[in-house]
Amino acid sequence: TQLLEQSPQFLSIQEGENLTVYCNSSSVFSSLQWYRQEPGEGPVLLVTVVTGGEVKKLKRLTFQFGDARKDSSLHITAAQPGDTGLYLCAPSSGSARQLTFGSGTQLTVLP
Amino acid sequence: DTGVSQDPRHKITKRGQNVTFRCDPISEHNRLYWYRQTLGQGPEFLTYFQNEAQLEKSRLLSDRFSAERPKGSFSTLEIQRTEQGDSAMYLCASSSRVSPETQYFGPGTRLLVL
Repeated sequence: TQLLEQSPQFLSIQEGENLTVYCNSSSVFSSLQWYRQEPGEGPVLLVTVVTGGEVKKLKRLTFQFGDARKDSSLHITAAQPGDTGLYLCAPSSGSARQLTFGSGTQLTVLP
Repeated sequence: DTGVSQDPRHKITKRGQNVTFRCDPISEHNRLYWYRQTLGQGPEFLTYFQNEAQLEKSRLLSDRFSAERPKGSFSTLEIQRTEQGDSAMYLCASSSRVSPETQYFGPGTRLLVL
């Protein structure tokens, strides 16, 4: 059974600040998805990373997949109140059909 | 809008009643998944269909839960004799043959069992 840890669990920052959230495991993943979820809604896919060491940018969001494909990070530059939400990482390990989610990082960006 | 849709969005029921939820996946997606999410947690896998075949079920899916996807398109999730512990957000997701690990989620059905 893989252990999946997301940190920090909660993060509250001021508009304009930068932040990084992490997703770590003891298992190797074939790919990893990042989602953002707002209250009362389903998770919205942000990115899929596949290659170890891969870096993907989505406007102010930068996603990195660890070289060993066991961890990932999400960096947000100049956070805005619209970035507020629950950030979930969900790796897949090839043979498994379902995604296993972490508990997420609840981000609040204050205006 | 061609995303995943779920109906109803909210359901309040009394303990012991049966409820049924519907999910319409993205068209041409052959895989469909059901997850359950409780407050403060990430979604937990319940079951998975490839076309009309139910290929995997979690141990979370008790005998009171049943899911179908009769024509390989929409799916239903039924909970019989609901219990208060069934209160949760029920999420549906779909993915394609080309990129099966990239799952797109619907808005969910929020169930409250009184």
